[in-house]
Amino acid sequence: AQTVTQSQPEMSVQEAETVTLSCTYDTSESDYYLFWYKQPPSRQMILVIRQEAYKQQNATENRFSVNFQKAAKSFSLKISDSQLGDAAMYFCAYRSANTGTASKLTFGTGTRLQVTL
Amino acid sequence: DGGITQSPKYLFRKEGQNVTLSCEQNLNHDAMYWYRQDPGQGLRLIYYSQIVNDFQKGDIAEGYSVSREKKESFPLTVTSAQKNPTAFYLCASSFGFATIYFGEGSWLTVV
Repeated sequence: AQTVTQSQPEMSVQEAETVTLSCTYDTSESDYYLFWYKQPPSRQMILVIRQEAYKQQNATENRFSVNFQKAAKSFSLKISDSQLGDAAMYFCAYRSANTGTASKLTFGTGTRLQVTL
Repeated sequence: DGGITQSPKYLFRKEGQNVTLSCEQNLNHDAMYWYRQDPGQGLRLIYYSQIVNDFQKGDIAEGYSVSREKKESFPLTVTSAQKNPTAFYLCASSFGFATIYFGEGSWLTVV
């Protein structure tokens, strides 16, 4: 079974600075997808960024980028020029690309990000 | 607007009662999911459905039931057999291997 581990329960960053959230995962599969979701106080899950395992290039979305290390099974999220609106819970998630288990999205326990002035 | 609608936002259940959480999507997605969120535990999969009239148990299906009679709808019933139902429930949907999108969630509290 796949597992996702986020070892940082809480992180803090000053406004306009850069912060990196860590995520590691365990799988025996070679084809899969990785995601970072943001959960603000409203509790809705919002997609931040997605990475396909077959792509070597790291995904980027504006101020958000990932460092995907497939051999190390590591998938960290870098937030540049942090803004107050970035304060939220961030979840790393894994999704298999195998048809039989395609529906299963496995989450880590989350990292709470605080942004200070 | 396209999206996933969950209702009610807040629900209170008495001991021994069954309650049903509604989830409707107009995104034309084939797959739908129910997740439960407890503090410090991330999200855990309760049930999912990849096609109408078919669904599979997730990691924590005991005490829950679902139906998928229409593509747009995937209601979740929390039965009296679920001993600790107080939690935040999230419905989601997806098309193929695309990203899974979530509704705004429903809070269930046992009183």
